[in-house]
Amino acid sequence: QKEVEQNSGPLSVPEGAIASLNCTYSDRGSQSFFWYRQYSGKSPELIMFIYSNGDKEDGRFTAQLNKASQYVSLLIRDSQPSDSATYLCAVNMMDSSYKLIFGSGTRLLVRP
Amino acid sequence: EAQVTQNPRYLITVTGKKLTVTCSQNMNHEYMSWYRQDPGLGLRQIYYSMNVEVTDKGDVPEGYKVSRKEKRNFPLILESPSPNQTSLYFCASSPGQGYEQFFGPGTRLTVL
Repeated sequence: QKEVEQNSGPLSVPEGAIASLNCTYSDRGSQSFFWYRQYSGKSPELIMFIYSNGDKEDGRFTAQLNKASQYVSLLIRDSQPSDSATYLCAVNMMDSSYKLIFGSGTRLLVRP
Repeated sequence: EAQVTQNPRYLITVTGKKLTVTCSQNMNHEYMSWYRQDPGLGLRQIYYSMNVEVTDKGDVPEGYKVSRKEKRNFPLILESPSPNQTSLYFCASSPGQGYEQFFGPGTRLTVL
């Protein structure tokens, strides 16, 4: 079982819709969770981070964390074509100092 | 401007010819890391460093070396590159455990 799992997609949504990206992780003791956006050939850039159970909102983005279910998600409201990218979920594992484990990413396509 | 820089950005070389990819950060971060990214495999950690003179292996260290003689620099050394090291390489830095990582622009390496 992979430590951090994401559906590779592509997830296709129409412009203006809500895109929902999901991630599950195996280390129950994980404390820090990150969502990165990566355009093709570019470096990952941080979208959101979340440490506590529940929802965290930042503009059009909402991160949701459920530690009991070992599940973290990213909602993108009012999706725009410029949101089309690969979204990487990353989890800071408790069993390794400073080690951030990345999922293989979900490709999002927003149709105009 | 706070940033992580990598050089070169693109490199084509031949099997067995030693090369170094430099990485530098100007944010006084303690933690630095190298990743490689391959299609379908996501970001995999090669080596990381928690501080000057402190380095450790990541998930895919074979064929690579690193050093951390200064806080700001973390070069990646390929002593005898092979075609299976053809990949997109990212350097990243972080203020510490549990914090986000800031990525450099990437180095696309081709080994013929």
